[in-house]
Amino acid sequence: DTAVSQTPKYLVTQMGNDKSIKCEQNLGHDTMYWYKQDSKKFLKIMFSYNNKELIINETVPNRFSPKSPDKAHLNLHINSLELGDSAVYFCASSQETGWSPLHFGNGTRLTVT
Amino acid sequence: KQEVTQIPAALSVPEGENLVLNCSFTDSAIYNLQWFRQDPGKGLTSLLLIQSSQREQTSGRLNASLDKSSGRSTLYIAASQPGDSATYLCAVGTNTGNQFYFGTGTSLTVIP
Repeated sequence: DTAVSQTPKYLVTQMGNDKSIKCEQNLGHDTMYWYKQDSKKFLKIMFSYNNKELIINETVPNRFSPKSPDKAHLNLHINSLELGDSAVYFCASSQETGWSPLHFGNGTRLTVT
Repeated sequence: KQEVTQIPAALSVPEGENLVLNCSFTDSAIYNLQWFRQDPGKGLTSLLLIQSSQREQTSGRLNASLDKSSGRSTLYIAASQPGDSATYLCAVGTNTGNQFYFGTGTSLTVIP
């Protein structure tokens, strides 16, 4: 099936650890995104990549580093995890930025203890 | 910066009712507006996309309208069903910042 898939679905870890979330899309889209959804369900963009190049980097701590090995993949690495990083992280893709539909993965629920 | 607001934050209706969800945005320079539904513990499912040149889009029992000049969109759901219970989010696509700005969502409960 064509889709945006991200792994893992759940991630529970302790403060100070380093973790990664992987995302892949087989829709042939040029642009991929990472969004963070907080406890109040508000979605805020973190990063956007177009053809493997970073085009959006919102005010996100340097501990968060996206990596795009090719335009079908956008992984998110988080160093020195903090309690406040607990949230649901969504990967998404679109054909072009700003005027094409967004397609979302099912999310990764990160819990930092 | 674009700000997107959805009213009401929560809505509870009996099955069979028609209902309207509202979305407002502050900057009318948009490329499109997209409505999503999110089920608990799940990702977002796209419902309708309206391009900035369009005034409405329809899919089954759903109808979305767009009034750019007033910075508003509505999602009309006809003959609501319990399966429509979910959180509905609108997102404005803009070339400013090349991103989508999301609203705060409306949590809908349809009572059987």
